[in-house]
Amino acid sequence: GAGVSQSPRYKVAKRGQDVALRCDPISGHVSLFWYQQALGQGPEFLTYFQNEAQLDKSGLPSDRFFAERPEGSVSTLKIQRTQQEDSAVYLCASSFTGVEQFFGPGTRLTVL
Amino acid sequence: DQQVKQNSPSLSVQEGRISILNCDYTNSMFDYFLWYKKYPAEGPTFLISISSIKDKNEDGRFTVFLNKSAKHLSLHIVPSQPGDSAVYFCAASAGTYKYIFGTGTRLKVLA
Repeated sequence: GAGVSQSPRYKVAKRGQDVALRCDPISGHVSLFWYQQALGQGPEFLTYFQNEAQLDKSGLPSDRFFAERPEGSVSTLKIQRTQQEDSAVYLCASSFTGVEQFFGPGTRLTVL
Repeated sequence: DQQVKQNSPSLSVQEGRISILNCDYTNSMFDYFLWYKKYPAEGPTFLISISSIKDKNEDGRFTVFLNKSAKHLSLHIVPSQPGDSAVYFCAASAGTYKYIFGTGTRLKVLA
């Protein structure tokens, strides 16, 4: 069975560029989460979807960050006008119950 | 303010011995705790969890202990195996889906 997949696995962006990170959750999982993991830190919650509804975006660090899940399956995290402090691994997780979250391998974003 | 703390960034243990990873928390509203294991270039994988109504949960070689009065939990791995070498994250939640993670402890099991 396929797990959570994310693409691209690595992304290098110049400061000021926009980026889009994709997450394919496990089929049938209604809950989807995005986390940001800075170097040497644990994952930090960004946002939560239940199906297509974004129920919590309290962790998004600025209005340059935007996430969507229009059909309740694939999700995209978009970062506009990237800054160096956005460099991190972005993890996506999905869950059927909301309790046990299954993580993807992450996208490592480097902003130069 | 770090609500979940893993004060040991790294730990080395001989194969076959016990590994003890520690985690402290500050928020008394946390009622569910999890341990995740992470290999390089992979996402964290769920290992074991415990609810605040229990003080111990066991799954094979892995046992998690919770001391609510001390706001402390620990993960015991016995016997440790080289394949257990990874970064271990402690996480906590307060009745919601929102997990607060610690900074991780890198475990190295020496053959």
